[in-house]
Amino acid sequence: NAGVTQTPKFRVLKTGQSMTLLCAQDMNHEYMYWYRQDPGMGLRLIHYSVGEGTTAKGEVPDGYNVSRLKKQNFLLGLESAAPSQTSVYFCASSYWLAGGVDEQFFGPGTRLTVL
Amino acid sequence: AQSVAQPEDQVNVAEGNPLTVKCTYSVSGNPYLFWYVQYPNRGLQFLLKYITGDNLVKGSYGFEAEFNKSQTSFHLKKPSALVSDSALYFCAVRDVAAGNKLTFGGGTRVLVKP
Repeated sequence: NAGVTQTPKFRVLKTGQSMTLLCAQDMNHEYMYWYRQDPGMGLRLIHYSVGEGTTAKGEVPDGYNVSRLKKQNFLLGLESAAPSQTSVYFCASSYWLAGGVDEQFFGPGTRLTVL
Repeated sequence: AQSVAQPEDQVNVAEGNPLTVKCTYSVSGNPYLFWYVQYPNRGLQFLLKYITGDNLVKGSYGFEAEFNKSQTSFHLKKPSALVSDSALYFCAVRDVAAGNKLTFGGGTRVLVKP
């Protein structure tokens, strides 16, 4: 199993450009998440999905959109990139267990720089 | 709203000495608590979790954590640290009453010196 994979690993954008980050998991997990990691702030949840065709806002959703057309894929889009979106982006997935979800499995991250 | 605090930005310890990484939490209901480790240029890896039951939880790589409800703490411990334990450690909490979202602390960098 590859686990959780993310594409691309690195990207540099100019302000106003758009891009899509792809996350794929081969563990048949129901839940998928997008986080951003900034120094000293831990991970902050951007958007998440509890199943194919569903998405929901997290803690910091502004400026981002997501789609979950297939169970194994979760896409994160930036329509008009801003320097404040310079960050490391992590995708994660998890099972759902009765009483609460299980631990999350993380991808290797995408380092995005917006100039 | 749920929250997690990791009061130390960095912990320095000599190899072979005990390692403790502190975490306190705030939730409105019963907490699910997690520890993750992040090595340089890598994603987070799960170490251990507390859901219910025994307050002492054992996890991967010789780590353990103690849940203390009265002090709302979930400190990570290792009896004898290794240089390879040097990494960034994150505590996280899920408030069952607030849905399935995970809230992370700011992280604690552990440096184990030979």
